[in-house]
Amino acid sequence: QVQLVESGGGVVQPGGSLRLSCAASGFIFSTYGMHWVRQAPGKGLEWVAFIRYHGSNKNYADSVKGRFTISRDNSKNTLYLQMNSLRAEDTAVYYCAKDLHYGGNPIPFDYWGQGTLVTVSS
Amino acid sequence: QSVLTQPPSVSGAPGQRVTISCTGSSSNIGAGYDVHWYQQLPGIAPKLLIYGNSNRPSGVPDRFSGSKSGTSASLAITGLQAEDEADYYCQSYDNSLSALYVFGTGTKVTVL
Repeated sequence: QVQLVESGGGVVQPGGSLRLSCAASGFIFSTYGMHWVRQAPGKGLEWVAFIRYHGSNKNYADSVKGRFTISRDNSKNTLYLQMNSLRAEDTAVYYCAKDLHYGGNPIPFDYWGQGTLVTVSS
Repeated sequence: QSVLTQPPSVSGAPGQRVTISCTGSSSNIGAGYDVHWYQQLPGIAPKLLIYGNSNRPSGVPDRFSGSKSGTSASLAITGLQAEDEADYYCQSYDNSLSALYVFGTGTKVTVL
């Protein structure tokens, strides 16, 4: 069965960096686009970043562009999110999510990880 | 603030039917982009509930149904059950934004 397991969250000071990982199993990781979505405490969902299956196409929300970098290692079935210049407003649970193979637009996310909490605070 | 607006909350008694609206505009739902719905139980990651406006993934009860018309979409829950108490989010794309995906503001469903 499909499993997505995030790790790497924690407490970091403003201006600091953190790298999140998402270990994938139960599907052919190298054939699916992947996303990071976050949810601030008590708030709604916010899409953060996307990477295509081969890793060469990446897209970011304006709120993280230039500070966050999404990447993947298909040989390790792992998705990453490098977060730099962190701000208090980046505090959230970060979920990785998998694309559904789908012909419409936009593509839905059919599996999500359990999330990892990132707290930016001094 | 999201470009997809949902009511903050809806409620209903067990067995009743409730609907959740997702109101957009001509640059998102009205432009023909698909709408997907997610259910988020308390403290749990979101789960895909409806995709492509009205399609249910395997395992989702047929009590859940989706529709789209004009610049809005709706999620209906018939035969409301206690385990349906959760937050629900719509999702689509907006061609006036740089973001690939937009989520609705979210709706809390309370079973009375």
